Amino acid sequence: NAGVTQTPKFQVLKTGQSMTLQCAQDMNHNSMYWYRQDPGMGLRLIYYSASEGTTDKGEVPNGYNVSRLNKREFSLRLESAAPSQTSVYFCASRQKQGATNQPQHFGDGTRLSIL
Amino acid sequence: KQEVTQIPAALSVPEGENLVLNCSFTDSAIYNLQWFRQDPGKGLTSLLLIQSSQREQTSGRLNASLDKSSGRSTLYIAASQPGDSATYLCAVTPPEASGTYKYIFGTGTRLKVLA
Repeated sequence: NAGVTQTPKFQVLKTGQSMTLQCAQDMNHNSMYWYRQDPGMGLRLIYYSASEGTTDKGEVPNGYNVSRLNKREFSLRLESAAPSQTSVYFCASRQKQGATNQPQHFGDGTRLSIL
Repeated sequence: KQEVTQIPAALSVPEGENLVLNCSFTDSAIYNLQWFRQDPGKGLTSLLLIQSSQREQTSGRLNASLDKSSGRSTLYIAASQPGDSATYLCAVTPPEASGTYKYIFGTGTRLKVLA
């Protein structure tokens, strides 16, 4: 049981380039999340998806787009990367159908540097 | 706006010591509070989740307490071990996010247990 898998683990981009961060979970969870973690600022929610085909903005959505095409996968896209988007990105999932009080489960992160 | 603070940012203790990590939040109206552990280069692992109606939760050598009226939670680690070295984060779920679990994270306390 792999849990939450994020790819790639590391990436270096030039300003203006685009890329998609991939996330997949095998726990049959309904909800999925994208966070960024910056030094001294904790984790901040970028986007949230309650179920397949639905997405909702979080605290810091500007410069990002997301796609939840199926229950397993939730991708995060940077259309035109900026140095301010240098960060560690975490994907998380939660909540099997009918379960309550369940915590989020996190992937190991993608470390993204934008030059 | 809810803010979550964790002080100190870093802590070093000798092995075997009992220790307390602190988490403060500005708005006492929370749905739940969660403690996580983060190892270097890894994602977050859930430790304990306390519902707003609860006062504490225990798991092995860990005990988390919640005092909503004072806006505080503590994570007590008994008989600390070098393997406990990690960053510990707390996160609160505001009442309006009870269905989505959109956490608001603190910035974490980096713990080092010296052998």
